[in-house]
Amino acid sequence: TQLLEQSPQFLSIQEGENLTVYCNSSSVFSSLQWYRQEPGEGPVLLVTVVTGGEVKKLKRLTFQFGDARKDSSLHITAAQPGDTGLYLCAGSGGGADGLTFGKGTHLIIQP
Amino acid sequence: DAMVIQNPRYQVTQFGKPVTLSCSQTLNHNVMYWYQQKSSQAPKLLFHYYDKDFNNEADTPDNFQSRRPNTSFCFLDIRSPGLGDAAMYLCATSSSRRGGETQYFGPGTRLLVL
Repeated sequence: TQLLEQSPQFLSIQEGENLTVYCNSSSVFSSLQWYRQEPGEGPVLLVTVVTGGEVKKLKRLTFQFGDARKDSSLHITAAQPGDTGLYLCAGSGGGADGLTFGKGTHLIIQP
Repeated sequence: DAMVIQNPRYQVTQFGKPVTLSCSQTLNHNVMYWYQQKSSQAPKLLFHYYDKDFNNEADTPDNFQSRRPNTSFCFLDIRSPGLGDAAMYLCATSSSRRGGETQYFGPGTRLLVL
């Protein structure tokens, strides 16, 4: 069974601060996806990383896939209250199997 | 513009009373998934369809069944809901079986069991 550990589980910081969320596993994934989920809504895809060492940027968000494709990080620069939400990482082992989700990081950005 | 639609958004049922949740998609995707997400937990895959081919997860209870009458629609049937089945149920689709293929999620149906 492939498991994904996310840390921290909860994070509350002030507007303008930087933060990093981690997603770690002992298993290798063919790809890893990051989602943001708001209360009462489904997850919305932010990015997919597929190559070891890959770095992708989405405005103030920077995503990195580990060289061994076992871990990933999400870094947010100058966090805004609109960044508040549940951030989920999800790994794909390949094929049509569903995603393996981490437990998520509940992020609160206080104005 | 809605791509993955779930109805209803909120469903209340009684203990033991069968309930059906609906998912439809306008993406013409081959693969449709059902996930269960309990409060403050990650989504957990229940099963998926690749076209008409049904794939059940090993630990999905028999109480949960699914039907896919055509490409656009997929249903989740809970035969005898228990209190522990109260959760958000998420439907997702993807275009192919390739690893890394994006999954598009619907807004979910929140199920309450009384």
